[in-house]
Amino acid sequence: DARVTQTPRHKVTEMGQEVTMRCQPILGHNTVFWYRQTMMQGLELLAYFRNRAPLDDSGMPKDRFSAEMPDATLATLKIQPSEPRDSAVYFCASGLVQRGVTSGRQGHRTGELFFGEGSRLTVL
Amino acid sequence: AQRVTQPEKLLSVFKGAPVELKCNYSYSGSPELFWYVQYSRQRLQLLLRHISRESIKGFTADLNKGETSFHLKKPFAQEEDSAMYYCALVNTGFQKLVFGTGTRLLVSP
Repeated sequence: DARVTQTPRHKVTEMGQEVTMRCQPILGHNTVFWYRQTMMQGLELLAYFRNRAPLDDSGMPKDRFSAEMPDATLATLKIQPSEPRDSAVYFCASGLVQRGVTSGRQGHRTGELFFGEGSRLTVL
Repeated sequence: AQRVTQPEKLLSVFKGAPVELKCNYSYSGSPELFWYVQYSRQRLQLLLRHISRESIKGFTADLNKGETSFHLKKPFAQEEDSAMYYCALVNTGFQKLVFGTGTRLLVSP
């Protein structure tokens, strides 16, 4: 069955190194989200793409993080340079936003989000 | 700005006891609310959404706009309910999904 695939599953690196995490969304989904999971903050939204266009990356530290969707089958999250405080589990999720009626008005509706297994990053 | 608050990091109950996981939100528009669950060694997955008004695995959640709450309830907890539960909100315009900090539910025998 269709699943969101994330690589790598685990990554240990040293401070200052570049880290790239990859996500393959479910075929046909038009939205991709990147979240960071920590004990203190829970699931923080880092970036959000719809139809490959970035709609919101306000939760992402711009000086070191970047997120892209070079094509519909690949989303990337890059950290350069990495720092120990970046240690966390990074989740990618994809979903389908469709036009419909919400509260009596035309708009968009987000369907269920499907999550990858996450990439556990440790920065020493 | 949209915000979701889950005040309890950990909720520990005995099997058969009632469970209520609290969720409060702040959003100026008309929100859509969800509960997602992450069982041990499994992916985060949708549990239920308020527009469906359904009961999943015995859990229900009612949107209370007056109290801006969407608490998750189950009358009799089971050990297999032990998991991490996240409340989430989507703003109807932008369709950005924002999560709370999560509550870990532990159900003991």
